[in-house]
Amino acid sequence: QVQLVQSGAEVKKPGSSVKVSCKASGGTFSSYTISWVRQAPGQGLEWMGRIIPILGIANYAQKFQGRVTITADKSTSTAYMELSSLRSEDTAVYYCARVHRGNYYDSTITLWGQGTLVTVSS
Amino acid sequence: SSELTQDPAVSVALGQTVRITCQGDSLRSYYASWYQQKPGQAPVLVIYGKNNRPSGIPDRFSGSSSGNTASLTITGAQAEDEADYYCNSRDSSGNHNVVFGGGTKLTVL
Repeated sequence: QVQLVQSGAEVKKPGSSVKVSCKASGGTFSSYTISWVRQAPGQGLEWMGRIIPILGIANYAQKFQGRVTITADKSTSTAYMELSSLRSEDTAVYYCARVHRGNYYDSTITLWGQGTLVTVSS
Repeated sequence: SSELTQDPAVSVALGQTVRITCQGDSLRSYYASWYQQKPGQAPVLVIYGKNNRPSGIPDRFSGSSSGNTASLTITGAQAEDEADYYCNSRDSSGNHNVVFGGGTKLTVL
């Protein structure tokens, strides 16, 4: 059974960076787009961007342009999301998510990681 | 436009039918997907495409779309359906982005 297993919770200082990993077990990693979605406490879901491993292409939501970098290592079936210049408003659960196969830019998410809580606090 | 609008909260009596809606310009071009999220858990896909249910999702969940509005219908709501529901779709502005609705809290009375 395919799973997305994310790295553990992080506590970061304002102005620092965080890098969250997402390892896919089972299935063909490169064939699927991986999106990153975050959810602030008590708030809704927010799409941050995607990586298309087979093409090596990443797209980012305008809100995060310049602060987020999404990468993928096909050799280890792992995707990464790095967010820089952290502020308190970035405190959230960050999810990696596998997109429905068929269109690299599809919005349908068929599989979610367990989530990684990132807390930004001085 | 890159926004999807959902009612913040909806309630339904046990066993009755409820419709949760999602409005946005992008829905004129793309289908919405729907996700169920229970407290402390990751979201789960319940409907995608024209009206497709992933394996394991009960057939009381169905989807439809008309114009700029997508709907998720639960026919015969159960206590376990109480959750937050989110829609999403591709952004129609041509930037390949994805947008989510603000979510609807469903209460089963």
